[in-house]
Amino acid sequence: NAGVMQNPRHLVRRRGQEARLRCSPMKGHSHVYWYRQLPEEGLKFMVYLQKENIIDESGMPKERFSAEFPKEGPSILRIQQVVRGDSAAYFCASSPPSGQGGTVKLFFGSGTQLSVL
Amino acid sequence: QKEVEQNSGPLSVPEGAIASLNCTYSDRGSQSFFWYRQYSGKSPELIMFIYSNGDKEDGRFTAQLNKASQYVSLLIRDSQPSDSATYLCAVRGAGGTSYGKLTFGQGTILTVHP
Repeated sequence: NAGVMQNPRHLVRRRGQEARLRCSPMKGHSHVYWYRQLPEEGLKFMVYLQKENIIDESGMPKERFSAEFPKEGPSILRIQQVVRGDSAAYFCASSPPSGQGGTVKLFFGSGTQLSVL
Repeated sequence: QKEVEQNSGPLSVPEGAIASLNCTYSDRGSQSFFWYRQYSGKSPELIMFIYSNGDKEDGRFTAQLNKASQYVSLLIRDSQPSDSATYLCAVRGAGGTSYGKLTFGQGTILTVHP
């Protein structure tokens, strides 16, 4: 049973370019989450999606960032006009529906390391 | 005050000792608490979760939760060099918080030396 698949593992972009990060959840999982880990900082929640729906985007920057999880295909995190401050590790996680006591176990992918030159 | 606070360490323990990792949180209504392990350059891996006051044991790991003190800890017994990693405490907030929206601490770096 394959885990959460993210690609690419490493992505280099110049300032002003667009970055697209992809995530395929674990088989049987329909909930996808994106987290960002900046150097020397903890993981920060960005967005929670289900198929064709954005459930919670309270952690997304207001501009340049968008996410989707289409009916077919992987979830995409898109960053337009990247700046150096966007350099970070971006982790995708997936989960099954809510578990015992409302506890939801997240399974993380290997992450995409974005470097903006 | 940070929402989830951990001592960044590094915490160094000898092989075979008990490693004690601590975490405090500010949202009194928080419901679920998680410990993730993250090796350098790798993804976080869930090792324990707890949502009721008291202790929960799983192999060499014990999670302890005290909601009155807003405190959660992780004990690792018989520590091994392979336990050397960053341990992340994560909290799911009060009712109405989206599933999977966790607030993470900065992590505690644990080093187990032979």
